[in-house]
Amino acid sequence: NAGVTQTPKFRVLKTGQSMTLLCAQDMNHEYMYWYRQDPGMGLRLIHYSVGEGTTAKGEVPDGYNVSRLKKQNFLLGLESAAPSQTSVYFCASSYSRGFFYEQYFGPGTRLTVT
Amino acid sequence: QQQVKQSPQSLIVQKGGISIINCAYENTAFDYFPWYQQFPGKGPALLIAIRPDVSEKKEGRFTISFNKSAKQFSLHIMDSQPGDSATYFCAASISNAGGTSYGKLTFGQGTILTVHP
Repeated sequence: NAGVTQTPKFRVLKTGQSMTLLCAQDMNHEYMYWYRQDPGMGLRLIHYSVGEGTTAKGEVPDGYNVSRLKKQNFLLGLESAAPSQTSVYFCASSYSRGFFYEQYFGPGTRLTVT
Repeated sequence: QQQVKQSPQSLIVQKGGISIINCAYENTAFDYFPWYQQFPGKGPALLIAIRPDVSEKKEGRFTISFNKSAKQFSLHIMDSQPGDSATYFCAASISNAGGTSYGKLTFGQGTILTVHP
């Protein structure tokens, strides 16, 4: 049981390049999320998904696209990377524990855009 | 707009001391308040959480105090240990009882805790 895994762990892009971050979970969770973490800003929600084939915008969605073609995978795409997208990206998945949802986070992807 | 404000940004405590981290929220619809612990190079992990119908929750050395009228909550770490050195995030969410926000979390800015031996 690997939990939540993210690929790649590190990446350096030039401005204007594109890339896709892959998140996979083996816990059969319905909900998945992408966050970015910046110093002094905490974690901010980029996009989330409440099930296969569905996605929705979070707090900071501009410049990112997502897809959830399979329940276990949630992809985050950057079509034209900008230096402002330099950050650490975390994927999470969650399930309902009745009253609330407990989120499980992956190890993160550190992205640098030069 | 930062809906959850966390302080201090960093905290240094001696081994055996008490670490206190504070958070304040604005959205009165929030009704689930978890704390996450993050070690360097790792993702955050749920540490402890509280609902607004209780004023305090304790799990081992970790205690959450909650003040609904002031819209504030805090994490107390008793007998702090070097192994507690990490970044701590408070967060807030709307639970299923409150109409659900699909588990979306609004995080505070984080507190870097260093416990000296």
